[in-house]
Amino acid sequence: KNEVEQSPQNLTAQEGEFITINCSYSVGISALHWLQQHPGGGIVSLFMLSSGKKKHGRLIATINIQEKHSSLHITASHPRDSAVYICAVMDSNYQLIWGAGTKLIIKP
Amino acid sequence: DVKVTQSSRYLVKRTGEKVFLECVQDMDHENMFWYRQDPGLGLRLIYFSYDVKMKEKGDIPEGYSVSREKKERFSLILESASTNQTSMYLCASSSSVLVLHEQYFGPGTRLTVT
Repeated sequence: KNEVEQSPQNLTAQEGEFITINCSYSVGISALHWLQQHPGGGIVSLFMLSSGKKKHGRLIATINIQEKHSSLHITASHPRDSAVYICAVMDSNYQLIWGAGTKLIIKP
Repeated sequence: DVKVTQSSRYLVKRTGEKVFLECVQDMDHENMFWYRQDPGLGLRLIYFSYDVKMKEKGDIPEGYSVSREKKERFSLILESASTNQTSMYLCASSSSVLVLHEQYFGPGTRLTVT
């Protein structure tokens, strides 16, 4: 069993829909990251969380430390949000553990 | 803007060939990383370097070596390419090994070994 599990693996939605991507982990962590990988391959960091909730534009990330679970939400989704969204955790030994990613396609 | 560039976006090599993947960053970062990314798996760290001529093995170093002769350049070497090394290779650089959100990634090199 992977230490970081993302669901769903693939998600296709219509423009405007509210999107939720989930990340569950089984190790103690010092931080959790959400990243976005564009079709061209480049990866950019979206959020770093150690507790609570963060918001940036239409993106919202939440984390529940007790349940070892985080969610990434996209409001009013747009085709340009189509990308792979990756969850990564830094464990208590500062080792990075990466999720396999969620491929999101937003149709116009 | 931080820029991390990789020498090729797509590369096709034959089994047994020696393959060089080059990565260059322009932010004077001490730390540079090589990952591979395969479908259904998270990124896996191959090697990282925290200074010129310094290197550390990551999670999957077997079949790879690296070179860091200059601060801005970090090369990944496949001494004898094999088909199971067909993958997307991503380079990253950062000023801190502990802070993922300050890692800047290159565009990736999709390597096919036939």
